[in-house]
Amino acid sequence: EVQLVESGGGLVQPGGSLRLSCVASGFSISNDWMTWVRQAPGKGLEWVANIKKDGSTKKYVDSVKGRFTISRDNAKNSVYLQMDSLRGEDTALYYCARDLGWCRVDQWGQGTLVTVSS
Amino acid sequence: QSALTQPPSASGSPGQSVTISCTGTSSDVGAYDYVSWYQQHPGKAPKLMIYEVYKRPSGVPDRFSGSKSGNTASLTVSGLQPEDEADYYCNSFAGITNLGVFGGGTRLTVL
Repeated sequence: EVQLVESGGGLVQPGGSLRLSCVASGFSISNDWMTWVRQAPGKGLEWVANIKKDGSTKKYVDSVKGRFTISRDNAKNSVYLQMDSLRGEDTALYYCARDLGWCRVDQWGQGTLVTVSS
Repeated sequence: QSALTQPPSASGSPGQSVTISCTGTSSDVGAYDYVSWYQQHPGKAPKLMIYEVYKRPSGVPDRFSGSKSGNTASLTVSGLQPEDEADYYCNSFAGITNLGVFGGGTRLTVL
């Protein structure tokens, strides 16, 4: 069974940092782009970042550029999102997902909640 | 990238058809045949329903169909069923150097 499991979310103060992890099972992430999508409470979906199969290309939404870093370890079948200088507007459920290309996101985790508040 | 424009709500009775629109620009929806649609039930992760404008992943009922004209894509749900009640999001490719862009979402209510 194909599965993505996120972890690392929690409550953090503004300006703080968190590192999200996503472990895949049932498939090898080395064949696919991987992405993080977030959803603020009661709001819509927003792309955050994605990363090419070999990690050579990374893209970010403008609002997180310079603060978030996406990475991957294909040997561990895992993807990560390092989030620094967190702001209140980063509060959201963060989904890890597999992107088959051209915005065809076919597998999603259940999400990990990040709350930025003092 | 600005979000794609979707109506906030749509509704229909069981058995009826409903169409949800998704309007972008000549830089995203209008430029590429890479529009996808996602269904999200409350408290659940999104599910891919349509990709590349009209293609359905395995397991998605053929009651769901997609189309595109110019800068506007559409999702049509035919023969509405109670389990179709959910939020629906469109998404478009926006160029090789950019992330995709989502629509704001449409809540579909089955009356």
